[in-house]
Amino acid sequence: GAGVSQSPSNKVTEKGKDVELRCDPISGHTALYWYRQRLGQGLEFLIYFQGNSAPDKSGLPSDRFSAERTGESVSTLTIQRTQQEDSAVYLCASSTRGGSNYGYTFGSGTRLTVV
Amino acid sequence: DAKTTQPNSMESNEEEPVHLPCNHSTISGTDYIHWYRQLPSQGPEYVIHGLTSNVNNRMASLAIAEDRKSSTLILHRATLRDAAVYYCILRYNTNAGKSTFGDGTTLTVKP
Repeated sequence: GAGVSQSPSNKVTEKGKDVELRCDPISGHTALYWYRQRLGQGLEFLIYFQGNSAPDKSGLPSDRFSAERTGESVSTLTIQRTQQEDSAVYLCASSTRGGSNYGYTFGSGTRLTVV
Repeated sequence: DAKTTQPNSMESNEEEPVHLPCNHSTISGTDYIHWYRQLPSQGPEYVIHGLTSNVNNRMASLAIAEDRKSSTLILHRATLRDAAVYYCILRYNTNAGKSTFGDGTTLTVKP
């Protein structure tokens, strides 16, 4: 597709369940990023993948959060044993390369609600 | 990491120019300045970016201070569709993945 695709667009889950969020970046984009946005707030960096390099996981808030990326394509963000404070919009972005001279293209996000 | 400071909100009248300021006093020499905007229920959208020189594109202009400690996003003729949250961020040359998005500036455009 032409843009970054995220699925599902909305997810309601019970506290304690695991969830998987998917991101399909723009074809050919080597860099992929996950951000979290709580209601009315700015974006919080979670994790960054660049090609075959080791990902920068420094933004993951706890060991319940993990992410994988297959080559330079799909990425999955997994949240285990969800808590109510995990409720947020999870945004994925990709860019042509990982350098600072390249802009992000964001998806529309997955709105996660933990009840 | 260098941070940016923006006003919480601004108002503009339709078809008038809008100047959105951003301070980044601790910017490093090779960090790029990027601007994004976010409409309700959407992901952020790229607007413009630059390093030292002023930049123009079809959406906006970016004016960068000579000392690079501040920048201004210029919308030449605001429309109702420009109402959004505008984020000024730094993309670090040493760690391009880890940009910090603050709370941004909420722009209201009045007809």
